[in-house]
Amino acid sequence: AQSVSQHNHHVILSEAASLELGCNYSYGGTVNLFWYVQYPGQHLQLLLKYFSGDPLVKGIKGFEAEFIKSKFSFNLRKPSVQWSDTAEYFCAVNGYAGSYQLTFGKGTKLSVIP
Amino acid sequence: NAGVTQTPKFQVLKTGQSMTLQCAQDMNHEYMSWYRQDPGMGLRLIHYSVGAGITDQGEVPNGYNVSRSTTEDFPLRLLSAAPSQTSVYFCASRPRDRGTNEKLFFGSGTQLSVL
Repeated sequence: AQSVSQHNHHVILSEAASLELGCNYSYGGTVNLFWYVQYPGQHLQLLLKYFSGDPLVKGIKGFEAEFIKSKFSFNLRKPSVQWSDTAEYFCAVNGYAGSYQLTFGKGTKLSVIP
Repeated sequence: NAGVTQTPKFQVLKTGQSMTLQCAQDMNHEYMSWYRQDPGMGLRLIHYSVGAGITDQGEVPNGYNVSRSTTEDFPLRLLSAAPSQTSVYFCASRPRDRGTNEKLFFGSGTQLSVL
């Protein structure tokens, strides 16, 4: 079975600080990896995804994530956060071709202080 | 396109009552799913469907029923509501034939409280 672990439950940063949110997955085969974001009061939106090719993936709003296969990790990064990045971030994995079950991590709440 | 539409947005039930959460999408997506979101638990898959007439259980299916009679609709039924089912429910869909790397389109959620 596939699973996702997000290391931080709540992260508090000041504006302009750099961000890295950890995500590790467990699955031995080919994976598709996603980061979703949920702004306060809104539904989930896709931030970025990885399914093949360059392990460094760039998403919307200046976010990027790096897939490191040897570490089973897909950490999310942003060099300089803004107050508007305050949201909850979810890492998700889809473990093998033909499976439609997307497994989400428990989420990391990011609070950015102006 | 309206995308994924969920109704109602809010609902309060008494223990033992039944109700149906509605989900409809107008994007002709084969795959539809229901998640519940609880604090500190992330999103957990309840049931999913890969096409009309086909449904399957996810991670937390107990207490919920689904059916998929059309491509557009995927209702979630609570037969006898329990306080443990207090949660925010999200419906999501995506096309099937483009593979598992496609993103999910989420509805705006239904906030359910069971007293």
